[in-house]
Amino acid sequence: AQSVTQLDSHVSVSEGTPVLLRCNYSSSYSPSLFWYVQHPNKGLQLLLKYTSAATLVKGINGFEAEFKKSETSFHLTKPSAHMSDAAEYFCVVSDTGGFKTIFGAGTRLFVKA
Amino acid sequence: ETGVTQSPTHLIKTRGQQVTLRCSSQSGHNTVSWYQQALGQGPQFIFQYYREEENGRGNFPPRFSGLQFPNYSSELNVNALELDDSALYLCASSFERDSYNEQFFGPGTRLTVL
Repeated sequence: AQSVTQLDSHVSVSEGTPVLLRCNYSSSYSPSLFWYVQHPNKGLQLLLKYTSAATLVKGINGFEAEFKKSETSFHLTKPSAHMSDAAEYFCVVSDTGGFKTIFGAGTRLFVKA
Repeated sequence: ETGVTQSPTHLIKTRGQQVTLRCSSQSGHNTVSWYQQALGQGPQFIFQYYREEENGRGNFPPRFSGLQFPNYSSELNVNALELDDSALYLCASSFERDSYNEQFFGPGTRLTVL
């Protein structure tokens, strides 16, 4: 069975400081992992995805994530936060064993000036 | 390239009624997934349609049903509405049903059940 746990419901950082949003997953099969962002009153947008190629994945807007199988983690990072990064972030797992997609509960990122 | 569109944007219904939500896939996409996003929560997978057949289902009762048409547009039908069905309903399309494919999301339909 699949599951996704986002370890922080809220994260607050100052502009220009690093961002870390944590995600642990479980999957019975080889998972595909994604991070999506949801800005207020806007649709979900893909930031990046892992699909069993390179374990360090680079996405849009300077975000990246590292797949660590031994830790079953897929944490999202960004070296320097920007005010426009303030949004809700979802870690997502989708596996080849069944056509289901599981979203985490989300992490709200606040960026202070 | 036209993105995913959904209609209506907002809808108010009363308990016991039935509702139909519609989704137009992005051009070239043959797979559609539907999600329910309650306030303050992550989207919950309802089901997926691939080439007009249901291809996977989450933990939702049978009163949640769907259709996919030959042009790959889709409908979500909910019968016997309950108060807890109030949520944002999201449609997402992808090219083929493979798990590694990016899903492109529509803006959603906000359903309020009174």
